Amino acid sequence: QSVLTQPPSVSAAPGQKVTISCSGSSSNIGNNYVSWYQQLPGTAPKFLIYENNKRPSGIPDRFSGSKSGTSATLGITGLQPGDEADYYCGSWDGSLSAFVFGTGTKVTVL
Amino acid sequence: QVQLQESGPGLVKPSQTLSLTCSVSGGSFSSDAYQWTWIRQLPGKGLEWIGYIYYSGISYYSPSLKSRLTISVDTSKNQFSLKLTSVTAADTAVYYCARVRHRGVTPSYFDYWGQGTLVTVSS
Repeated sequence: QSVLTQPPSVSAAPGQKVTISCSGSSSNIGNNYVSWYQQLPGTAPKFLIYENNKRPSGIPDRFSGSKSGTSATLGITGLQPGDEADYYCGSWDGSLSAFVFGTGTKVTVL
Repeated sequence: QVQLQESGPGLVKPSQTLSLTCSVSGGSFSSDAYQWTWIRQLPGKGLEWIGYIYYSGISYYSPSLKSRLTISVDTSKNQFSLKLTSVTAADTAVYYCARVRHRGVTPSYFDYWGQGTLVTVSS
């Protein structure tokens, strides 16, 4: 039940910047916090961003989050080969009474 | 450092019950600051939130799975468990347990995850 829409893929050269959008509605992103997760191939998701734009300790400041209205964005600057992964946004949905994740975006470093 | 580890059968027959346990170490399990949750990922697909439980036993389930789901807790062992009844091939997935930070009673984010365990539903 992916009610949060992300682009299937984004790519850029090493050192460049990518942004990943997460589009939702007033029942989720519009009225609740957004979090972001990185899933490297074959591993469990890893917590990247919480409460829209806060980074937990240990996450480099190359990763940033923002929210505006019913959409959120994850930015990755100074892209590195190790950033190749799937990225998911997530938020509570008050209408569904469930936590919902985005459709996921695969980041490729060219 | 908080660590979570899933355990349970990797193969379940259709119509039977899927049972998994998550063991938590390195942190405060019995705290109202946290919820404990299950999340699954169907093969090649995205993440699906299943439900959460407090150490007190208060639980909340995703409406889409509620009729087949039970999440329980054992504070003496710092464990919580998942039971999903009447499984079909559509329940084949990697199942993750995770710690939840919440705002009020609703989950806000998942800060620690287990490594995940693949459960296949097949005869």
